[in-house]
Amino acid sequence: DTAVSQTPKYLVTQMGNDKSIKCEQNLGHDTMYWYKQDSKKFLKIMFSYNNKELIINETVPNRFSPKSPDKAHLNLHINSLELGDSAVYFCASSQVVGDEAFFGQGTRLTVV
Amino acid sequence: EDQVTQSPEALRLQEGESSSLNCSYTVSGLRGLFWYRQDPGKGPEFLFTLYSAGEEKEKERLKATLTKKESFLHITAPKPEDSATYLCAVLFNTGKLIFGQGTTLQVKP
Repeated sequence: DTAVSQTPKYLVTQMGNDKSIKCEQNLGHDTMYWYKQDSKKFLKIMFSYNNKELIINETVPNRFSPKSPDKAHLNLHINSLELGDSAVYFCASSQVVGDEAFFGQGTRLTVV
Repeated sequence: EDQVTQSPEALRLQEGESSSLNCSYTVSGLRGLFWYRQDPGKGPEFLFTLYSAGEEKEKERLKATLTKKESFLHITAPKPEDSATYLCAVLFNTGKLIFGQGTTLQVKP
């Protein structure tokens, strides 16, 4: 039974398109995150939500908009995709902010 | 500026050859330090959390230790299945969570 699941696993799209990545956790955690991992494996936090409220918003272009319909779901919508957005995006959850996190399997986004 | 640095970037060991991975961080106040393991094509998997200098945690062949400015992940008698990228993350008193760039470990039989 998958704890943190995100879809799709792979996403190939053209520059300028708008796309969404979905994430769901069944751990009952209050906090969810979006991370970006670049080609050098460097993992950087983008957003964090606690009980559907945005609590961390790192320096990320406003083309990226997270949405949390409930505390078990955190989706990421990306407008006007650019080549530099190509990366692996990970969703994660933890019981409280800053606690050990459980990660999804990642979404490899390729912008062509 | 808060920073986290891991070394070495890559490490090749023979099976059974013990070694250590390092994670150093700027000393601006630590709330917690996390170690994760990441296999290719998968998300990071939590290993340990350390909160204060002198703390140690063990799991199978892995032992994590913490001082005031760095953490070590000791791998004793590694096996090929220990091959992975090991990530360190630091939660600073500022509330910022920063990951290091990782150490990619390859253990040859």
